[in-house]
Amino acid sequence: AQSVTQPDIHITVSEGASLELRCNYSYGATPYLFWYVQSPGQGLQLLLKYFSGDTLVQGIKGFEAEFKRSQSSFNLRKPSVHWSDAAEYFCAVVDSGAGSYQLTFGKGTKLSVIP
Amino acid sequence: IAGITQAPTSQILAAGRRMTLRCTQDMRHNAMYWYRQDLGLGLRLIHYSNTAGTTGKGEVPDGYSVSRANTDDFPLTLASAVPSQTSVYFCASSDSETPGPYGYTFGSGTRLTVV
Repeated sequence: AQSVTQPDIHITVSEGASLELRCNYSYGATPYLFWYVQSPGQGLQLLLKYFSGDTLVQGIKGFEAEFKRSQSSFNLRKPSVHWSDAAEYFCAVVDSGAGSYQLTFGKGTKLSVIP
Repeated sequence: IAGITQAPTSQILAAGRRMTLRCTQDMRHNAMYWYRQDLGLGLRLIHYSNTAGTTGKGEVPDGYSVSRANTDDFPLTLASAVPSQTSVYFCASSDSETPGPYGYTFGSGTRLTVV
């Protein structure tokens, strides 16, 4: 079964600093990869997704992520963090080769932003 | 209605009582899902339905049941609620049995407290 690991439970950055949130996955064949963001008390919003093609994916709100097959990683980046980016971020994977198509989520990384 | 509607938004429930969480989508998506979100555990799949008339078990199905009588509705039932079912429940849908390229749409969640 596929799994997703987000090694960092909580990250704190200063406003304007760069950000990288880590995500590692295990999968059977061809992964579909996602990053979601959840603001406090809210539902999940899709930031970006990768399923084929260019390994550098651009998303909303200035986020990007890079798929690295050799490292089984799909890290999320943003060059300059805004206070409104404070939220919880979830990496998720669908293993399209395993006959099941449900999203498997990591446990999340909470981002705090210092003004 | 636009997207996914979940009801109720929140509920306090006495242990041992029966409860149905409602989920309705207006996007004609084939597949629907129920997740629960717990602090430090991320989102875990409870049950899913790839198409109307079919359902399947996810990672944490015990104590829950679902039905999919039509495309739009996917209710989740707790037959006899226990305190460990205190959680935030999210319904989601996708427009294919292989949703990788298309992503998922999430509802706003139901916060359930079992006392």
